[in-house]
Amino acid sequence: EVVLTQSPGTLSLSPGERATLSCRASQSVTSNYLAWYQQKPGQAPRLLIYGATDRAIGIPARFSGSGSGTDFTLTISRLEPEDSAVYYCQQYGGSPPWTFGQGTKVEIK
Amino acid sequence: QVQLQQWGAGLLKPSETLSLTCEVYGGSFTGYFWSWIRQSPEKGLEWIGEINHSGSTKYNPSLKSRVTILEDGPRKQFSLKLRSLTAADTAVYYCARGGGGVWPLDAFDIWGPGTVVTVSS
Repeated sequence: EVVLTQSPGTLSLSPGERATLSCRASQSVTSNYLAWYQQKPGQAPRLLIYGATDRAIGIPARFSGSGSGTDFTLTISRLEPEDSAVYYCQQYGGSPPWTFGQGTKVEIK
Repeated sequence: QVQLQQWGAGLLKPSETLSLTCEVYGGSFTGYFWSWIRQSPEKGLEWIGEINHSGSTKYNPSLKSRVTILEDGPRKQFSLKLRSLTAADTAVYYCARGGGGVWPLDAFDIWGPGTVVTVSS
């Protein structure tokens, strides 16, 4: 099973600042099938990025994904107040079980 | 626009069986994998298992002995049964489109609203 470790646990930034979230895998993610999700309180997760770098439909361009192998990054270029949420990475390459990271909470000051 | 609607009992006793159903609206059932995922404060997000339109299933080894996922393609529904419940199964349960691990778009792109399941005597 691929274990995903996210850092930092919490990120507290001001509107307009850049947020950099990290996701490290315990082994190489097959085909770089790594996704990022945003979850707000009381809601289901929302897909932001798939295949490590591709934005899902309707996702603003300020969200971008990068990385390969075992190290992946989600960048929010200019934070908006509505970006306050918990962000999860998830791998879905090779064989199941598909696994999630423990999440990074982004707080907007 | 594809939407998922889910339903099932939310309050159960230890040793009982959880039954949830998810229906696909506004899109195709065939050609995709369909998954169940749960979320608890203790374990975070945990993938339970998946099924495709032809009934092929894969389960999380940690739950495999207690889980059954079935599909009803004509009704565009899939269901989850989780047996021998304990308090550790208390969580929000989501249905989602995705899984399979074959294509980049096999990520979970559509989610149901979630069902709060509490296991308590």
